[in-house]
Amino acid sequence: ETGVTQTPRHLVMGMTNKKSLKCEQHLGHNAMYWYKQSAKKPLELMFVYSLEERVENNSVPSRFSPECPNSSHLFLHLHTLQPEDSALYLCASSQASDRENSPLHFGNGTRLTVT
Amino acid sequence: QKEVEQDPGPLSVPEGAIVSLNCTYSNSAFQYFMWYRQYSRKGPELLMYTYSSGNKEDGRFTAQVDKSSKYISLFIRDSQPSDSATYLCATKRDSSYKLIFGSGTRLLVRP
Repeated sequence: ETGVTQTPRHLVMGMTNKKSLKCEQHLGHNAMYWYKQSAKKPLELMFVYSLEERVENNSVPSRFSPECPNSSHLFLHLHTLQPEDSALYLCASSQASDRENSPLHFGNGTRLTVT
Repeated sequence: QKEVEQDPGPLSVPEGAIVSLNCTYSNSAFQYFMWYRQYSRKGPELLMYTYSSGNKEDGRFTAQVDKSSKYISLFIRDSQPSDSATYLCATKRDSSYKLIFGSGTRLLVRP
């Protein structure tokens, strides 16, 4: 398995459900990201973890809760979502150093539909 | 004003044409510039990565950055139907984790 793998590929959930998105990277990178992609809008950065520490939290509602147990795995826990949260959720990784970050490598995303 | 502006298209060209995709940005502190290609139902895939101004060529693709006018371009020579996808420009400041994306241009190359 190579690259960045996201599961599940598709998820339909009700507003009262709790679910989790999973991301795993096999590139040896030390930084991981969650992005949200909605139709006709630019990708929005949600969270960044570097060396398993959250370094950026981009004013995301608390119904989204990230978790990074190690440098290869990233989760996004979801609860009491709203229909407007329906989108493609993309995970990415990069190699971060004190000087610069390498470009992001993305997974294929989880298509989330909130009913 | 958006930090990165990109025409959404769609842009339709015949096979073999030279394609020019463009973005403008507002912050002169941006130093790194990237182009990603995204096929339907897939994640963005890195095409080109440049630092500061100038040109970078990779096969049929050329990325160009003009920092004086805050303008970035991607040229595709001898375009193929397999180039049909959405192209996203992106940029960031030095030592920042935050990559700022344009909204993407949808390209269709007709056989």
